[in-house]
Amino acid sequence: DMKVTQMPRYLIKRMGENVLLECGQDMSHETMYWYRQDPGLGLQLIYISYDVDSNSEGDIPKGYRVSRKKREHFSLILDSAKTNQTSVYFCASGASSYEQYFGPGTRLTVL
Amino acid sequence: GDSVTQTEGLVTLTEGLPVMLNCTYQTIYSNPFLFWYVQHLNESPRLLLKSFTDNKRTEHQGFHATLHKSSSSFHLQKSSAQLSDSALYYCALSYAQGLTFGLGTRVSVFP
Repeated sequence: DMKVTQMPRYLIKRMGENVLLECGQDMSHETMYWYRQDPGLGLQLIYISYDVDSNSEGDIPKGYRVSRKKREHFSLILDSAKTNQTSVYFCASGASSYEQYFGPGTRLTVL
Repeated sequence: GDSVTQTEGLVTLTEGLPVMLNCTYQTIYSNPFLFWYVQHLNESPRLLLKSFTDNKRTEHQGFHATLHKSSSSFHLQKSSAQLSDSALYYCALSYAQGLTFGLGTRVSVFP
């Protein structure tokens, strides 16, 4: 059963704190993605990773960075979180851009 | 750049009636992949339909859509809506970097 996992599922941080969101997949997919979802704005691509240490900015990368040291694991890092980064973050993976499997999401609140 | 337009933000209808969600797109690519993702409340998006073949109807779980390259459209239809169809529906376009999503259409089906 193909699966994308995300940890934590819920997170509350104070403005200025660092945030680490983790994503794993067991499908050996080369490509992984981070999106954020906000009401009325849909799903916005933050970063895409084509494989280990091969990352590319998406549409809204400012304020975020990523790390991919193993194919099955992709991290999203917020250095000094801001209140406008409160959102639901989805990780996805896919063998190609033609189909993506989404994780359950992380609901991040920055106070 | 590439874009996807979903004209309805919210669609409300009575169970048993037909539903159609509009999706048009813009892309520089002559052979785009188009998708419909569905997201139920407190869940992650999951793939509902996909197509890259012009003028060919694709069906899944009672929903169907036809990619029309001449009009750059990929509308989603169902002949008889069910209560369980209440969800957020995203149309998406595949490009080199990943998926571009529309803003989504929320469907609410009432008894």
